[in-house]
Amino acid sequence: ELKVEQNPLFLSMQEGKNYTIYCNYSTTSDRLYWYRQDPGKSLESLFVLLSNGAVKQEGRLMASLDTKARLSTLHITAAVHDLSATYFCAVDTTSGTYKYIFGTGTRLKVLA
Amino acid sequence: KAGVTQTPRYLIKTRGQQVTLSCSPISGHRSVSWYQQTPGQGLQFLFEYFSETQRNKGNFPGRFSGRQFSNSRSEMNVSTLELGDSALYLCASSLGQGHIQYFGAGTRLSVL
Repeated sequence: ELKVEQNPLFLSMQEGKNYTIYCNYSTTSDRLYWYRQDPGKSLESLFVLLSNGAVKQEGRLMASLDTKARLSTLHITAAVHDLSATYFCAVDTTSGTYKYIFGTGTRLKVLA
Repeated sequence: KAGVTQTPRYLIKTRGQQVTLSCSPISGHRSVSWYQQTPGQGLQFLFEYFSETQRNKGNFPGRFSGRQFSNSRSEMNVSTLELGDSALYLCASSLGQGHIQYFGAGTRLSVL
């Protein structure tokens, strides 16, 4: 069964600090996605990672994928208050029955 | 370029009724996916349509159905509504699998 675990679930950090959110998944995946959601808002796609070793960066966020370890990381560099949101990872697989599974989300709060 | 448009934004229904939600994708996007978000179950994938065909389906009962029209607009239908169907329903469009998805604002459905 495909499971996706994120940690931490909650993260409170000071502005200017660096931190990493982890996303572990249990079986072979075709693609890994990262999303951001602000309170009461819809989802915003951040990254799509398609292959082992893929790294993508946008501003202060950088995502990477290690398919052998079944691990993706979302690294936050020099956090600012505007990054406060909930971050979700998701994986999908076409191996067997198609599945698209989201992680539980990491609620990030950046303190000024 | 217009974004993804979902209508209506809010709906209140009673148990046993049915409901139809609409999603107009970004022009040129042929893939439309639907998701359900609830506090208890989190984000769950419902189905994906591409060029009027349901390409992938999540683990939801047959009461949840959808379709896509030749102009890529998509509708989602839920019949015999249950209290547990109360949720935020999100639609996303993209060029296809592996591409960034663009989300609509969502339809918040309340079942009384």
